[in-house]
Amino acid sequence: DTGVSQDPRHKITKRGQNVTFRCDPISEHNRLYWYRQTLGQGPEFLTYFQNEAQLEKSRLLSDRFSAERPKGSFSTLEIQRTEQGDSAMYLCASSLAAGSGANVLTFGAGSRLTVL
Amino acid sequence: TQLLEQSPQFLSIQEGENLTVYCNSSSVFSSLQWYRQEPGEGPVLLVTVVTGGEVKKLKRLTFQFGDARKDSSLHITAAQPGDTGLYLCAGPMGGYQKVTFGTGTKLQVIP
Repeated sequence: DTGVSQDPRHKITKRGQNVTFRCDPISEHNRLYWYRQTLGQGPEFLTYFQNEAQLEKSRLLSDRFSAERPKGSFSTLEIQRTEQGDSAMYLCASSLAAGSGANVLTFGAGSRLTVL
Repeated sequence: TQLLEQSPQFLSIQEGENLTVYCNSSSVFSSLQWYRQEPGEGPVLLVTVVTGGEVKKLKRLTFQFGDARKDSSLHITAAQPGDTGLYLCAGPMGGYQKVTFGTGTKLQVIP
């Protein structure tokens, strides 16, 4: 297993455009998280899945953000009509939901978004 | 409202000095984790503490979980430049045990 993969690593876009990020978790992990992080701050929770079910979406998240995990494996995070305030690092992590490794997150390297 | 508050927010020290980072909450956690993050990378797990009062050591790093399981500390002895990074505490919360992160402590160790 190569760990958690995120693509693209960097994305520069103009305000108003849509962007999509992809995350491939560790194959045995049934939980998948999306976080947003700005420089020097802790990751801010966006949403998470257990298998294909979306368990929770942050109330701070606008309707422009949507995430899917259609087959319980990879996930996508789409941001529609991007705004400059969306510029951040978007982190994906996966974990087991139960057992000794429950809630221990393995992160990808992140997708850095810059909105001009 | 940030559920896990870390202090200090920033710390710049000389190589060889000792330091302590704190993670506090008003909520009880079943466990707390500490991660370190380097620029351009995702956080990497350092340790998980589970039992109130538990102390774990990882080389020069000592982690403690408060007796009431509401707080934790990370102590680094004889800091080295390689310890530089963002230190994050995190814990599972709510019915589905969503992992929530603290505000972060940015550490710089100057050679």
